[in-house]
Amino acid sequence: EAGVVQSPRYKIIEKKQPVAFWCNPISGHNTLYWYRQNLGQGPELLIRYENEEAVDDSQLPKDRFSAERLKGVDSTLKIQPAELGDSAVYLCASSLEGRGGSYGYTFGSGTRLTVV
Amino acid sequence: QKEVEQNSGPLSVPEGAIASLNCTYSDRGSQSFFWYRQYSGKSPELIMFIYSNGDKEDGRFTAQLNKASQYVSLLIRDSQPSDSATYLCAANMEYGNKLVFGAGTILRVKS
Repeated sequence: EAGVVQSPRYKIIEKKQPVAFWCNPISGHNTLYWYRQNLGQGPELLIRYENEEAVDDSQLPKDRFSAERLKGVDSTLKIQPAELGDSAVYLCASSLEGRGGSYGYTFGSGTRLTVV
Repeated sequence: QKEVEQNSGPLSVPEGAIASLNCTYSDRGSQSFFWYRQYSGKSPELIMFIYSNGDKEDGRFTAQLNKASQYVSLLIRDSQPSDSATYLCAANMEYGNKLVFGAGTILRVKS
């Protein structure tokens, strides 16, 4: 079984430029999460999807961040425009619907974003 | 007050010793608790979860939960240099089907 697949692995952009991250969850996993991990910190939830619906986006900075999950499978997280403080690792995770909170979830390899 | 708190470390133990990692949480309604291991430059990897008071053992790892004290711990027996990593504690917050993570404890096992 393939795990959670993320791309790109690394991204370096200049501030004010746009950037997008892509995630393909484990097959059959309805729930998809985007987390951001700053250096020396634990992951922090940005948005959670149940199928196509964003059910928790309270921590997503909506002035510059957007996300979508078309057809309830792949997801894209976008930042426009990027700021220096957005430099972090962006992690995608997935779980079977309703089970992430009980059994945990699997993370992808992450995208390391550097804004210069 | 952070929702999940861990001592950042580093915690240094000699090879073969028991490493004890601790975590406290603020939400009394939290039901499930998780330990993830994260090697430098890698993503977090789930190693154990626990939801009942008491101990849960898996190989060299033992998770301990005390809901009355809002305390979770992870014991690693016969620590190996390959156990050197950051250990993240996470709790499932009652108000949402999501995990909230602590900042992690750095463990160093010296040979």
